[in-house]
Amino acid sequence: EIVLTQSPGTLSLSPGERATLSCRASQSVSSNYLAWHQHKPGQAPRLLIYGASSRATGIPDRFSGSGSGTDFTLTISRLEPEDFAVYYCHQYGSSPHTFGQGTKLEIK
Amino acid sequence: EVQLLESAGGLAQPGGSLRLSCAASGFTFNRYAMGWVRQAPGKGPEWVSAIGGSGERTYYANSVKGRFTISRDNAKNMLYLQMSSLRAEDAAVYYCVREGPVPYFDYWGQGTLVTVSS
Repeated sequence: EIVLTQSPGTLSLSPGERATLSCRASQSVSSNYLAWHQHKPGQAPRLLIYGASSRATGIPDRFSGSGSGTDFTLTISRLEPEDFAVYYCHQYGSSPHTFGQGTKLEIK
Repeated sequence: EVQLLESAGGLAQPGGSLRLSCAASGFTFNRYAMGWVRQAPGKGPEWVSAIGGSGERTYYANSVKGRFTISRDNAKNMLYLQMSSLRAEDAAVYYCVREGPVPYFDYWGQGTLVTVSS
């Protein structure tokens, strides 16, 4: 199965700053079927990005995804207070689906 | 508005059984594959199982194959996960998920806690 490794484990930034989160796959992700999900405590996780770079419905354009093959990035251009959460990458190109261990984005 | 609401999980003994339910609303249920994802404390999410829109096709992670059964009732807009021969490592928050047109998960429930302990 494909192992996804996210870095950093924790990212401490201030509102207004730019966040760059990385997800590296142990082998190439088929068709760049890579998604990013946001999870806040006590809430349902939310899909942000699918197909490596397509924003899900209702997701602000400050969120962008990029990458291909084995290296993927989620960028949040200017952090808003509500963006502080845990982010998971998820590959769905190969069975079984797998997830990264998460990056916690915390307020500095 | 798409909503996925899991039933309360609960406590089971090792070797015991538990059934999870997920009530879906806000979309045409039988047009979508559905699934379950779990997350143990301190770990990333783990895909558990999926079922096609008609219920004919089912898929399982190796870790639960032969012990868990996924099913759905399209007349009631309900998704189920029957869990048997539970192990300590099955303890997690279990999320009901909807699969998009390509099988990413476009909606998640809030999750339900399953505890396995004697």
